[in-house]
Amino acid sequence: DTAVSQTPKYLVTQMGNDKSIKCEQNLGHDTMYWYKQDSKKFLKIMFSYNNKELIINETVPNRFSPKSPDKAHLNLHINSLELGDSAVYFCASSQGGGAGETQYFGPGTRLLVL
Amino acid sequence: AQSVTQPDIHITVSEGASLELRCNYSYGATPYLFWYVQSPGQGLQLLLKYFSGDTLVQGIKGFEAEFKRSQSSFNLRKPSVHWSDAAEYFCAVALYNNNDMRFGAGTRLTVKP
Repeated sequence: DTAVSQTPKYLVTQMGNDKSIKCEQNLGHDTMYWYKQDSKKFLKIMFSYNNKELIINETVPNRFSPKSPDKAHLNLHINSLELGDSAVYFCASSQGGGAGETQYFGPGTRLLVL
Repeated sequence: AQSVTQPDIHITVSEGASLELRCNYSYGATPYLFWYVQSPGQGLQLLLKYFSGDTLVQGIKGFEAEFKRSQSSFNLRKPSVHWSDAAEYFCAVALYNNNDMRFGAGTRLTVKP
């Protein structure tokens, strides 16, 4: 069983479209995250979500919004896609949000905006 | 400013040779320190982590890392590299919680036959 899964694996879309990426974890974890990895492999945290508390990295545009229907899911919605949004997006989860907690990553969603 | 640096963008080693990947951090206090590996087309997997205690930390897949406070370093080592170790390696730090986790730029490891 995959611990953290993401769909779709690949997403190609036009500029201006709205898209969603789904994430599910079956580890029973309380905290989930979204990361963006750019073309230079640089990883940056976008959001963390714990018990309905959302913490947003201040550099993330408000076109990005995470939505959590339940503890096991944290989906990422992106409005008005831009060329610069092309990247690999990783979902992750951990038992708690503390600094020592191990994060488990999904396989990534490769987004290409044309 | 808080930062984590991996000085080597790309390293090539021969199979069976030893490996050391460098990581330096700049924080006011000792943060939690992590090494993750990313195989091609995959997500990240934790190799090992450190916060306190024994400064030599053992991880999975035969990796170890040594924390040196005086040098603000947390270098990753493996005595004998296997072809399957070819991947991207990321050092990461977090001070108070995972919301402030920062990753280094990564080191790409190539293994020669």
